[in-house]
Parts: sequence; C-alpha cells; structure tokens
Amino acid sequence: EDQVTQSPEALRLQEGESSSLNCSYTVSGLRGLFWYRQDPGKGPEFLFTLYSAGEEKEKERLKATLTKKESFLHITAPKPEDSATYLCAVHDNFNKFYFGSGTKLNVKP
Amino acid sequence: EAGVTQSPTHLIKTRGQQATLRCSPISGHTSVYWYQQALGLGLQFLLWYDEGEERNRGNFPPRFSGRQFPNYSSELNVNALELEDSALYLCASSLHSPRPEQYFGPGTRLTVT
Repeated sequence: EDQVTQSPEALRLQEGESSSLNCSYTVSGLRGLFWYRQDPGKGPEFLFTLYSAGEEKEKERLKATLTKKESFLHITAPKPEDSATYLCAVHDNFNKFYFGSGTKLNVKP
Repeated sequence: EAGVTQSPTHLIKTRGQQATLRCSPISGHTSVYWYQQALGLGLQFLLWYDEGEERNRGNFPPRFSGRQFPNYSSELNVNALELEDSALYLCASSLHSPRPEQYFGPGTRLTVT
C-alpha cells in the first residue's frame, strides 16, 4: 500500500532559524504531492501542489521541492505565526489520497 | 468567495446509532472528499464523489457511506456507530479531477459515547 512518512514529528525553531521538513513517499504512480498547513481545531489549508521531480513552488517564507522519492518544505527565517502542523499528501494512480501524520512546527519569538 | 462549509460543528451520538454529516463545497467545485482524522492520527481518506458519483473509497467498512446531490453538496452517513468512530470528519472540495487541489472545511467533531 502507498505510504507517506513525515519527519521530524515535531520541530522547535527560534524565530529566524531556517529549517526543512521532510516527506518521503512510496506510491503506485504519483499524480500529485500536496502540502497543507493545519492550525489546531481547523481544517487543513492548501499550500502547494507538486507534480513532477525537480519541480519547486514558493510562497512567502515557504519553498517546496520534489524528488522521485521525497519532498521538502523549506522554511526560511520563520516567524511565530508559521507555527502549525504541516501535512504532506499524495494522490496516486488509483485515485486515492494518502496523508502523512504531519510535522508540528513551533517557532519561538 | 465562501469556503467549504460543514454541519453540524459537533455531534454526539450513542454507540449503535447513525450519524449524518453534511458538506457544501466551494461554488464551482464538483468534487467532494471525506476524511477521518482521529485524535493523534493523520487524515484517513474515506470517500470521493464527483459529478454525483462515488469515484473511490478508502479502507473503511461499508457502514461508512454517503452521496452527492445535484448541487454538489454531500452527505456522509455512518451507521452502527462504534466508539472508535469518534474523530474529526473533514470535507474537502476541488475542481474536477485529474489534478485536484483540495480545499478543506472546518470539520465536524463526532463523539460516540
């Protein structure tokens, strides 16, 4: 079965301290990889879609990249408001969707 | 533009009862997805509807079912509720496949006692 694994489970950063979140996947044909942000008690908020290896997307302090086996979400000079759980998901050739369990990011001022 | 809406916000049921959850997609979106997010666990894909048809379902028993109406809104029904069905149920919508970006509602918190 397809699998999505995110690491680390939790990450504590000081404001301004850049880092990366990892999403590794095994999938029967990747149709798309998605990144979402989820705040406590809310539904996930769509951030990016990546379709093919080598693709990159940027939004403010976030940059997502994709290889054949993993994706990274790079956070540059994070601010406390970037604190949230970041979810990775894949859409496979069987039209199913698999989510990782997320990385909980805490940015301290 | 209004986002995805879900009702009710909270639902408390007794074991063995049935629960009905509702979702209205973003205007213009034809696909609706249902997910279960149990406490401490990731999102588990439940069902996908598009143009009124069930397109796919995750690894859940048949007592999880639903439908999509002509206005693209959707209903999730959970029969014979079990304690482990307690979770946040999230609905998402997207434009028609094959490359959907999904936009989520706030969820319905189902508690089974």
